[in-house]
Amino acid sequence: GQQVMQIPQYQHVQEGEDFTTYCNSSTTLSNIQWYKQRPGGHPVFLIQLVKSGEVKKQKRLTFQFGEAKKNSSLHITATQTTDVGTYFCAGSNDYKLSFGAGTTVTVRA
Amino acid sequence: GAVVSQHPSWVICKSGTSVKIECRSLDFQATTMFWYRQFPKQSLMLMATSNEGSKATYEQGVEKDKFLINHASLTLSTLTVTSAHPEDSSFYICSARDERGAYEQYFGPGTRLTVT
Repeated sequence: GQQVMQIPQYQHVQEGEDFTTYCNSSTTLSNIQWYKQRPGGHPVFLIQLVKSGEVKKQKRLTFQFGEAKKNSSLHITATQTTDVGTYFCAGSNDYKLSFGAGTTVTVRA
Repeated sequence: GAVVSQHPSWVICKSGTSVKIECRSLDFQATTMFWYRQFPKQSLMLMATSNEGSKATYEQGVEKDKFLINHASLTLSTLTVTSAHPEDSSFYICSARDERGAYEQYFGPGTRLTVT
């Protein structure tokens, strides 16, 4: 079945620095979604990407969907303490989501 | 909009008993809901897809007789963990697909199950 790999598993970031988390799928996806889960919380939908090569921005977050629709990335600039949490990508070919392992982000003030 | 609730938020039960978890879409109708489980510091694993008015579709390796799913209305799906064992202790999260949108799913707050 469809597998979505996500790296890195952990990201320790100095406040103010940038970082990127990457996702790769074993198959071509119809869309990819990104979620954020705060410690003790549930996943919260951030964004979805549908088109090949699509780039979307949400303030300091930039999401990209690869040309082949098999990979995606989330880039956060000027990291803040509010960015702490686990970021999951989730790929889909139908209505079912396959989640990556997540990137857990901690921030050093 | 697009709020999903789950009840209970946490439950402790004895080994061998059954536990029912409810998932409700509060402000939209959902013909499709999903049940996931998440172990500590791990990702979400899809257990089954709950379809309103029909049988649930289970992922490979998930015992349908152990995890009973009922989706009796457009706003409610239930997951019953039957004859629970300590290894069933986990965080169970439901999500609902808002078909007014595209593909995004909205997640409930989760239910933490502890089986003693």
